[in-house]
Amino acid sequence: GESVGLHLPTLSVQEGDNSIINCAYSNSASDYFIWYKQESGKGPQFIIDIRSNMDKRQGQRVTVLLNKTVKHLSLQIAATQPGDSAVYFCAERVRGTASKLTFGTGTRLQVTL
Amino acid sequence: EPEVTQTPSHQVTQMGQEVILRCVPISNHLYFYWYRQILGQKVEFLVSFYNNEISEKSEIFDDQFSVERPDGSNFTLKIRSTKLEDSAMYFCASSGVRPTLGEQFFGPGTRLTVL
Repeated sequence: GESVGLHLPTLSVQEGDNSIINCAYSNSASDYFIWYKQESGKGPQFIIDIRSNMDKRQGQRVTVLLNKTVKHLSLQIAATQPGDSAVYFCAERVRGTASKLTFGTGTRLQVTL
Repeated sequence: EPEVTQTPSHQVTQMGQEVILRCVPISNHLYFYWYRQILGQKVEFLVSFYNNEISEKSEIFDDQFSVERPDGSNFTLKIRSTKLEDSAMYFCASSGVRPTLGEQFFGPGTRLTVL
């Protein structure tokens, strides 16, 4: 279930620190965004979502920020743990569709001890 | 914890052959999806399925592809005549509520290799 390519950007973070993973989206008509986590050998796992009428949403240890002005999405992970090591990617849904998601390329998060 | 399962985990086929990829979505879910990921590339939406019919499909999902829910538990993706460029990881997903109001649960994927 590898989602990684040969040229994924990598973020290396020490255990206990906060992580910020960024995503730029291209379509200003997108109205719904999701962050996924993918561990080696597994399918994508939902982390958190946000609608375009919001600019921030918090979950357990995670926060998603949406800046529509610059079409930017970020995922903040508090107190990063070794189990957070994975590839993270964002997905956007274009307004007017029900389920067509466009995915980003992903960022590999490496948590060091 | 309920999960989406997919079989086989790896399928090797000759170009021009038909393949059927199988998925068992979470039992009370109503919406089903197929995605693919070519090695080194992004995850791509293929098709969504609800109430025994296709809800939406992408440009990738051409006449070579079809989906079916043959019984109450399985959801299949058929590729009629495989091409080299069909080699990819294929993920099935399901969700229990309207697609954008609930998370999609993904299976572990089937790696398709076309020789």
